[in-house]
Amino acid sequence: QKEVEQDPGPLSVPEGAIVSLNCTYSNSAFQYFMWYRQYSRKGPELLMYTYSSGNKEDGRFTAQVDKSSKYISLFIRDSQPSDSATYLCAMSAGQAGTALIFGKGTTLSVSS
Amino acid sequence: SQTIHQWPATLVQPVGSPLSLECTVEGTSNPNLYWYRQAAGRGLQLLFYSVGIGQISSEVPQNLSASRPQDRQFILSSKKLLLSDSGFYLCAWSVVGGEQYFGPGTRLTVT
Repeated sequence: QKEVEQDPGPLSVPEGAIVSLNCTYSNSAFQYFMWYRQYSRKGPELLMYTYSSGNKEDGRFTAQVDKSSKYISLFIRDSQPSDSATYLCAMSAGQAGTALIFGKGTTLSVSS
Repeated sequence: SQTIHQWPATLVQPVGSPLSLECTVEGTSNPNLYWYRQAAGRGLQLLFYSVGIGQISSEVPQNLSASRPQDRQFILSSKKLLLSDSGFYLCAWSVVGGEQYFGPGTRLTVT
């Protein structure tokens, strides 16, 4: 079983839709969780950073962590064409800043 | 504010040629530095990380090496490139206990 699983998509939605992106993991020691957005041929950009279980909201983005189920989610409300990108989940067992384990990314396309 | 630079942006090299990719960080001191490779369909793979000058940890055995000659400079090298070294190389930095921030990347094609 891979440490981090992420559905590669592609996921296509109309503008204004609510998008749900998910990752599952197997290592119960993970406690730092991140979501990155990567546009084509660019470096990943940090979107959300959470520690342990719970929710975190930033504008149209909400990150959820359920450690009991080993499941994390990123919700995007009122999706925009500019949200079209690949979204990568990442997690770490140690202090954030040590080696991250990444999912392979989900490609999202938002049509106007 | 902190800024991370990588160069070159793109590179096409023949098999067997040497490689040198450079990464520099501005606006912070004593960062943790990382080299990742992103191959199509394979996600991000950590290659090396460094917690200080001259301190390099290798995550994956390969024909690549890394060096940190200065606090905010991280170099990825190879003596002889293989076709399998093609990919998108990303440098990242973090402060101890902080999240990682990525540079713009170098796209390497080995022919």
